[in-house]
Amino acid sequence: QVQLQESGPGLVEPSETLSLMCTVSGGSISSNYWSWIRQPPGKGLEWIGDVYNSGSANYNPSLESRVTISVDVSKNQFSLKLRSVTAADTAVYYCARHFYDSTAFYWGPFDYWGQGTLVTVSS
Amino acid sequence: QTVVTQEPSFSVSPGGTVTLTCGLTSGSVSTRSSPNWYQQTPGQAPRTLLYRTNIRSSGVPDRFSGSIIGNKAALTITGAQADDESDYYCVLYMGSGIWVFGGGTKLTVL
Repeated sequence: QVQLQESGPGLVEPSETLSLMCTVSGGSISSNYWSWIRQPPGKGLEWIGDVYNSGSANYNPSLESRVTISVDVSKNQFSLKLRSVTAADTAVYYCARHFYDSTAFYWGPFDYWGQGTLVTVSS
Repeated sequence: QTVVTQEPSFSVSPGGTVTLTCGLTSGSVSTRSSPNWYQQTPGQAPRTLLYRTNIRSSGVPDRFSGSIIGNKAALTITGAQADDESDYYCVLYMGSGIWVFGGGTKLTVL
């Protein structure tokens, strides 16, 4: 059973960089896409972006200028960096596996999720 | 920028049938949008219900079904139960590796 666990600071100061790590266990990060999704308190889900094992990443256009998602296959981890944060970036951040069949070229669901970690942006 | 639209809230009686929809502010949803549907209860991570329009995730009861109705994706719950009271989110593929979630529908069963 694939499991994901987010880790990182729960409090970030405005204008600083939010950095989170997702550790994958029970399966290899060498296949599928690996995503970050966030949810501000009381609001809906927002796809931030994802990364493939090659390091190739896709980003939400509204966040692209501030986001970097990278992968470390040797450690079975992937990470999120969000620069120049404001209070609007306060949210529960989830990492998730996005199933992708690279032979048939089709997308499955976001099928495995971490429990989520609340990151508050405040001084 | 295209926005994914969902009904903010919906109500269904126990045992009843409800259809939630997922549309676009510009254009139509098709199977190429690869609609996914997720169920979320407070404090929990989302749970996959359906993907690629109508494929049920493992363990999801067959009273949850997906389709394209007109120019929208649809999630139909047949025989609603009390524990179906949740938030429901759709997500659509926009191309070029980009996915966009809808704002979610809060379903009340009463």
